[in-house]
Amino acid sequence: RKEVEQDPGPFNVPEGATVAFNCTYSNSASQSFFWYRQDCRKEPKLLMSVYSSGNEDGRFTAQLNRASQYISLLIRDSKLSDSATYLCVVILYNQGGKLIFGQGTELSVKP
Amino acid sequence: GAVVSQHPSWVICKSGTSVKIECRSLDFQATTMFWYRQFPKQSLMLMATSNEGSKATYEQGVEKDKFLINHASLTLSTLTVTSAHPEDSSFYICSAGTGMNYGYTFGSGTRLTVV
Repeated sequence: RKEVEQDPGPFNVPEGATVAFNCTYSNSASQSFFWYRQDCRKEPKLLMSVYSSGNEDGRFTAQLNRASQYISLLIRDSKLSDSATYLCVVILYNQGGKLIFGQGTELSVKP
Repeated sequence: GAVVSQHPSWVICKSGTSVKIECRSLDFQATTMFWYRQFPKQSLMLMATSNEGSKATYEQGVEKDKFLINHASLTLSTLTVTSAHPEDSSFYICSAGTGMNYGYTFGSGTRLTVV
């Protein structure tokens, strides 16, 4: 089983749609959680951190459920510019703080 | 915010030669940096953890003698791909951060093509 698993993609949605991505992690020692965005042939860029209380940044909402070892990202009112691959990332404190990436979910927003 | 500079952004080399990739933290000190490799349509795979002043920690399946890592200062880590082969062609990315709760910043990546 992979340490971090994400929904298989691609997700093809029209502009204005709401889309949700899910992610599960297997290592209960995971302490920090993030969503990164990666555009084609570019490096990943931090989108947002994920907290147990949930957090929102504009059209983006992230949720963490530690009991279920589950992370989610909700994008409302999708824009064409949201098209990218979204990576779920966990940090393992007990392994020197290394980041473990999910395989990524590709989102394509169409006009 | 934290800035990580990676150089070169792309390189083409002949089989059998060595290529050095540099990763610099520009406005902070990084005792730990991470090196990743990403093949097309795949996620980032951690290759090794680079520790300032000590040996790097390699992930299972990564040849330490082929991928040499040097972290001689708090702002610079280098990855040298030795005796490169076409199958080493990939996107190599480094990352560093100021703290685990703030995520990590990635370098812009190096696209290596071995011909």
